Amino acid sequence: EDKVVQSPLSLVVHEGDTVTLNCSYEVTNFRSLLWYKQEKKAPTFLFMLTSSGIEKKSGRLSSILDKKELFSILNITATQTGDSAIYLCAELNNNDMRFGAGTRLTVKP
Amino acid sequence: NAGVTQTPKFQVLKTGQSMTLQCAQDMNHEYMSWYRQDPGMGLRLIHYSVGAGITDQGEVPNGYNVSRSTTEDFPLRLLSAAPSQTSVYFCASSRWGAIGELFFGEGSRLTVL
Repeated sequence: EDKVVQSPLSLVVHEGDTVTLNCSYEVTNFRSLLWYKQEKKAPTFLFMLTSSGIEKKSGRLSSILDKKELFSILNITATQTGDSAIYLCAELNNNDMRFGAGTRLTVKP
Repeated sequence: NAGVTQTPKFQVLKTGQSMTLQCAQDMNHEYMSWYRQDPGMGLRLIHYSVGAGITDQGEVPNGYNVSRSTTEDFPLRLLSAAPSQTSVYFCASSRWGAIGELFFGEGSRLTVL
C-alpha cells in the first residue's frame, strides 16, 4: 500500500530558528506532492510540487521535491509563533490523495 | 464567499444510529472528497467524486455511503454508526485541473457512544 511518512512527528523551536520538515513517499502513478498547514481547524494549501528540483517559495516557506529519492522537504526560515501548526504532506495518485500523519511544529517566543 | 460548508459541526450518536453529514461548495468545483482525521493518523480519504453522478472509494470506505446528484453537494452517510467512526470529518473540493489544491470545510466532530 502507498505510504507517506513524515518526520519528525513533532518539533519545538524558538522564534527565529530555521526548520526543515521531511516527507517521504512510495507510490505508483504519482502525480504531485502537496503540503498543507493545519492550525486549529481545516488544513490550508501551501504548495503543490510536480517536478523534481524546482523550488516553490512563498515568503519564509519553501519546498522542493526529489522524485528520484521519493522525498520532499518543507523549509521555514525565521520562524514566528504564528507558524505553530501541524504540517501535512500528501501524495496525489491518480484521483485520490494520501496524507502523512503530519509534523506538529511549536514555535516558542 | 462561503467556500465549503459542512453541517453539523458537532454530533453525538448512539451505536447503530444513522446520520448524514452535509457538504456544499459554491465554487463550481468538479472534485469533492471526504476525509476523516484521527489523532496520530493524519487525514484518511473515505470517498471522492470527480463530478456529478460519479463517486469512488478511497482508503477507508467501509461503513460510509456517498452520492453526488449535483455539482454543489456531496453528503456522507453513516448507515449504522459504530464507536470506531468517532472522528473529525472534513469535506474538501477542488477544480478538476488542480485536484491537489483542496479547499476544506471547517470539519464535523462526530462522537459515537
